[in-house]
Amino acid sequence: AQKVTQAQTEISVVEKEDVTLDCVYETRDTTYYLFWYKQPPSGELVFLIRRNSFDEQNEISGRYSWNFQKSTSSFNFTITASQVVDSAVYFCALILNSGYSTLTFGKGTMLLVSP
Amino acid sequence: DTEVTQTPKHLVMGMTNKKSLKCEQHMGHRAMYWYKQKAKKPPELMFVYSYEKLSINESVPSRFSPECPNSSLLNLHLHALQPEDSALYLCASSQDGVSPSINEQFFGPGTRLTVL
Repeated sequence: AQKVTQAQTEISVVEKEDVTLDCVYETRDTTYYLFWYKQPPSGELVFLIRRNSFDEQNEISGRYSWNFQKSTSSFNFTITASQVVDSAVYFCALILNSGYSTLTFGKGTMLLVSP
Repeated sequence: DTEVTQTPKHLVMGMTNKKSLKCEQHMGHRAMYWYKQKAKKPPELMFVYSYEKLSINESVPSRFSPECPNSSLLNLHLHALQPEDSALYLCASSQDGVSPSINEQFFGPGTRLTVL
């Protein structure tokens, strides 16, 4: 069975600070996919990124960047120069590419960015 | 159109009522999902439809009854719910109908359900 751990329950930062959200996963499978979703107070989960287990390249998209390290089973998410609109709950999730598998979410990290 | 829509946004119902939640997507996606989310928790999968057929039922009580009338529509029929069923109900869709789908899921805004 797979598991996703987001140890940070809540993070508070001041606007323009950089912040990293941690995600550690567990699986015995070699082929899997990792995701990050953002859930603002409005409730809708917004897809941010998908990464497969064979692609360890880091990715940057504007102020967002992701660091995938198979050696430590981590898929961390960094927001550079945070803004108030980044305030949301962020979920890391995992799905296997085999058998009966559904999307396994971490418990989420609430990010509060104050002006 | 890259949107999943859900109606109603809010719903209050008594334990003896029958109501339905509706979800619609026009992205040509072949898999659709229902999730339940309690406050400060991650979404919990309830049902998955692949190519309009129910492929996964996560042991959901029969008072929740899903229906997929066509590839764009997904309903969730509610009957004799309990107060603990109060939650945010999220619908999602993904491109391929293969199970498991490794493609990203696109979520609707959800229906906030309160059962009195």
